[in-house]
Amino acid sequence: DAGVIQSPRHEVTEMGQEVTLRCKPISGHDYLFWYRQTMMRGLELLIYFNNNVPIDDSGMPEDRFSAKMPNASFSTLKIQPSEPRDSAVYFCASSLPGRVAFFGQGTRLTVV
Amino acid sequence: RKEVEQDPGPFNVPEGATVAFNCTYSNSASQSFFWYRQDCRKEPKLLMSVYSSGNEDGRFTAQLNRASQYISLLIRDSKLSDSATYLCVVSSGNTPLVFGKGTRLSVIA
Repeated sequence: DAGVIQSPRHEVTEMGQEVTLRCKPISGHDYLFWYRQTMMRGLELLIYFNNNVPIDDSGMPEDRFSAKMPNASFSTLKIQPSEPRDSAVYFCASSLPGRVAFFGQGTRLTVV
Repeated sequence: RKEVEQDPGPFNVPEGATVAFNCTYSNSASQSFFWYRQDCRKEPKLLMSVYSSGNEDGRFTAQLNRASQYISLLIRDSKLSDSATYLCVVSSGNTPLVFGKGTRLSVIA
């Protein structure tokens, strides 16, 4: 298996633009997680899905952030409009129920 | 109180040294415990799970103290390649993993 695949690896965008991050989980994993990592706050859970259904989005910072999982093999995290304080590394991870999570390589987002 | 707390370090140790990291967690219902390792500009990767009786994997030993809600990781005979950030991770059943902010280790030649 190729593991969790994220794209793009790097994204530089201007403030106010829409940003879409993509994730393909490991085949067969029921859970998909979106995390954000910054120096100040460490790894924070934004939202997670179970069988494509959003379970807990309480970590989503504000309405500018949205996430979807239209099928078992694809998820997106969208930021609209983006702001400089959104600059971070965004990780997608997937797991089986109650098991260890495997992470993608992350998307390094810079909003200027 | 944060759910998972770790000393951020950095820990700077010479090659061959023994180093220990500690972590405390606030949720007494936590059931699963792990140490992840994260290299600079890379994703977190599982280092080892932590079992109630304590467990060892080569130079690495993990211990859990449920009464004190405390987890530890001991690295013996440190290698340069052990330099990384070590993340303490806790979960309650099927809930998502909760990460500490990590402890940075630098092993110096």
